Amino acid sequence: EAGVAQSPRYKIIEKRQSVAFWCNPISGHATLYWYQQILGQGPKLLIQFQNNGVVDDSQLPKDRFSAERLKGVDSTLKIQPAKLEDSAVYLCASRTLTGRSGGYTFGSGTRLTVV
Amino acid sequence: QKEVEQNSGPLSVPEGAIASLNCTYSDRVSQSFFWYRQYSGKSPELIMSIYSNGDKEDGRFTAQLNKASQYVSLLIRDSQPSDSATYLCAEGSSNTGKLIFGQGTTLQVKP
Repeated sequence: EAGVAQSPRYKIIEKRQSVAFWCNPISGHATLYWYQQILGQGPKLLIQFQNNGVVDDSQLPKDRFSAERLKGVDSTLKIQPAKLEDSAVYLCASRTLTGRSGGYTFGSGTRLTVV
Repeated sequence: QKEVEQNSGPLSVPEGAIASLNCTYSDRVSQSFFWYRQYSGKSPELIMSIYSNGDKEDGRFTAQLNKASQYVSLLIRDSQPSDSATYLCAEGSSNTGKLIFGQGTTLQVKP
């Protein structure tokens, strides 16, 4: 089974620029998550999709971050404009629908550096 | 706000010793807990899950859950230098399936 694919692996941008990240989940997985991991911290959930609907975006800074999952498969996460504090690794994960929370597999992540 | 707390370490143990990693959580109704291992520059990798009180063993790893005291622990027996990594504890939401992570504990296994 192919894993969660993310691109790009690395991105360096200047503050106030925009950037987009892409995630392709494991085939058939209805639920998709975007996490932000700042250096030295654990991952923090930004947004959760179930199919193409948003389940939880309570910690997404909506003034600058946006995400979509058209057709319930691939997803993109965008930051516009970027701030220095957005420097982090952005992780995508997916899972099937189950009755109990199960651990899931992360993609390799996109490391963003804002200068 | 649900929280998961871990000592950031570093925890240093000699090769062959038992490493003990601990985690506490605030949500009394939580049912699912996970341990992830994260090597420097890599994404987190799921190594253990536990849902019931007591111990769960998998090879050199043992996860322990005590719901009354709201703590989860991970024991690594016969620690190897290759076990040196950051270990993340996570609590699973029964409603949405999202995971809430602690900040991670850095383990150093010295030859």
